[in-house]
Amino acid sequence: AQSVTQLGSHVSVSEGALVLLRCNYSSSVPPYLFWYVQYPNQGLQLLLKYTSAATLVKGINGFEAEFKKSETSFHLTKPSAHMSDAAEYFCAVSLTGGFKTIFGAGTRLFVKA
Amino acid sequence: DARVTQTPRHKVTEMGQEVTMRCQPILGHNTVFWYRQTMMQGLELLAYFRNRAPLDDSGMPKDRFSAEMPDATLATLKIQPSEPRDSAVYFCASGDRLNYGYTFGSGTRLTVV
Repeated sequence: AQSVTQLGSHVSVSEGALVLLRCNYSSSVPPYLFWYVQYPNQGLQLLLKYTSAATLVKGINGFEAEFKKSETSFHLTKPSAHMSDAAEYFCAVSLTGGFKTIFGAGTRLFVKA
Repeated sequence: DARVTQTPRHKVTEMGQEVTMRCQPILGHNTVFWYRQTMMQGLELLAYFRNRAPLDDSGMPKDRFSAEMPDATLATLKIQPSEPRDSAVYFCASGDRLNYGYTFGSGTRLTVV
């Protein structure tokens, strides 16, 4: 069975600093991996996805993530945090060719002025 | 932008009452999901449909929850009878096999008192 672990339920960075949100996955077959963002009182919005093409995936709002099979990781990064990036971020995994998606517990990102 | 529409946005009801939540998926999306989000459990997959047929509802308490897709433009999630522990935000999401990754609705915030 596949699963996702997000390291750190809360991450705080200063505006302009690097954002790094960690995600490790477990899957017996090649996975598809996703990052979603949730702003208060809204649904989740897809940031980016890995579907077995390039291992470095670029998404919206300047975010990117790198699939590292040897480390079973799919960490989300952004070079310079903006105040508007403050939100909750979810890593998710689904089996290749499948559609059922399992979400991690989420990481809340705080951005300090 | 195409969006998933959920109604109502908020619902307060008394324990024992029936609750029906509705979702209009994006036109052309053939897969519809229902998730429940709580602070304690995070995002839980309740059920999902492909081409209106239920594929997996193992995450749903069968004795009180039911999910249906009477047509391609409407998905419903019903709770009868409702209990305080059902209080949560219920999200509908839709997707298709050509573009992995879902589009979420804004959710229905259910409070059972």
